[in-house]
Amino acid sequence: AQSVTQLGSHVSVSEGALVLLRCNYSSSVPPYLFWYVQYPNQGLQLLLKYTTGATLVKGINGFEAEFKKSETSFHLTKPSAHMSDAAEYFCAVSEAGRDYKLSFGAGTTVTVRA
Amino acid sequence: DGGITQSPKYLFRKEGQNVTLSCEQNLNHDAMYWYRQDPGQGLRLIYYSQIVNDFQKGDIAEGYSVSREKKESFPLTVTSAQKNPTAFYLCASSLGDRHNEQFFGPGTRLTVL
Repeated sequence: AQSVTQLGSHVSVSEGALVLLRCNYSSSVPPYLFWYVQYPNQGLQLLLKYTTGATLVKGINGFEAEFKKSETSFHLTKPSAHMSDAAEYFCAVSEAGRDYKLSFGAGTTVTVRA
Repeated sequence: DGGITQSPKYLFRKEGQNVTLSCEQNLNHDAMYWYRQDPGQGLRLIYYSQIVNDFQKGDIAEGYSVSREKKESFPLTVTSAQKNPTAFYLCASSLGDRHNEQFFGPGTRLTVL
């Protein structure tokens, strides 16, 4: 079974500073990896995904993530935080087998200080 | 506009009552999913369906039931057997292929009084 670990349930950054959210996964087969963002009392919105090919993936709102197979990691970064980046972020991995279910990490809440 | 709708946005229920949450999509997606979200626990899968008239239990199906009579609709019933039903419920859909992302609805917040 797949599993996802997000290191740090809360991250606080200053406006303009680097945002780094960590995600590690366990998988016995090549994973498909996703990052989602959730604003308060809303659904989840896809930021980016890795399926195959280039290991550095660019997403919406200036976010990017790098798939590192040797480290089983898929960390999310943004060079310069904006106040609008304050939200909860979820890493997810697609399960092997025919059901294509997603396993989610517990989430990381980002606060941005002015 | 294509998307997923969930209704109602907020729902209040008395203990011992069943309640049904609506989920509709016009994305022509084959697969649909129901998740429960509690603070600090991420999303947990309740039920999912890959095709009309078929569905499977997820990780926390006890106390819940679903139906999939139409491709566009996947309603979730929270029964009185669910011991702790107060939560935020999210519906999602996808094309049903492993590399296709899931699209989420806006959610329904259920509170049991």
